Amino acid sequence: GESVGLHLPTLSVQEGDNSIINCAYSNSASDYFIWYKQESGKGPQFIIDIRSNMDKRQGQRVTVLLNKTVKHLSLQIAATQPGDSAVYFCAENDWKSDYKLSFGAGTTVTVRA
Amino acid sequence: EAQVTQNPRYLITVTGKKLTVTCSQNMNHEYMSWYRQDPGLGLRQIYYSMNVEVTDKGDVPEGYKVSRKEKRNFPLILESPSPNQTSLYFCASSLAGGPNEQFFGPGTRLTVL
Repeated sequence: GESVGLHLPTLSVQEGDNSIINCAYSNSASDYFIWYKQESGKGPQFIIDIRSNMDKRQGQRVTVLLNKTVKHLSLQIAATQPGDSAVYFCAENDWKSDYKLSFGAGTTVTVRA
Repeated sequence: EAQVTQNPRYLITVTGKKLTVTCSQNMNHEYMSWYRQDPGLGLRQIYYSMNVEVTDKGDVPEGYKVSRKEKRNFPLILESPSPNQTSLYFCASSLAGGPNEQFFGPGTRLTVL
C-alpha cells in the first residue's frame, strides 16, 4: 500500500553543521507535504510545509526540498543547534481525495556539542 | 494562551471498560484530529473532523469513536478497550479545513491491561 517513510532512523550531527533529513513517499497523488519536530515528552510541532506546485520553500534556518520525479522530500537545517535534537517526521496528504495525513516513522536527530 | 488540551494525560485501565479521552482547543480551529503513536510506526491518524458534526475515518479507526458536537471539543471514545490500544494518543487542530500546520496537544498515555 501507500506509505511515507524516512531513509534513516537516526542522524548524528555536529553542532554548527548543516543537517539533511530525507523522506521518501510512494503516493504519487500526494500534493501537500509537511515536516514536524517532536521533542522528548512533547507533542509534534509544525516546522514547514510545501505544496506540490513548488520544489523549494525556506523558513527560518530550515529549507524543504521536494522532488516529485523521484518522490523525495528533504528537510535541511542550517547551523544545527542543540535545541534541534528531536525526532523529525514527514507527512503527506492528497487534498483531492481526502483530508487524512499520513506520517513517516521518523528520524531521530542528535546534535553533538 | 492558545493551546490544545487533553485529559487525562495518563490512564491505566482494564480490557472492556469504556473510556473517553477529551480534547479541547481554544483557537476556533475548524479541523481536529486524533493520532496514535507507537514505537517504530510514527503517528497514525485515527479520525479527523473538518467541522462541527463532520467526522471521517483516518488510517486506523477500528475500535474508536469520535464526536464533534461543538467546534472546540473532539473527544475520543474507546467503547471496549483492548491491550492493542495501549499507545500514546495525540489530539491536534488546525485553523483551515484541512490537516495543514496542526497544533498538537501534550498527549495521553493509555495502558490497557
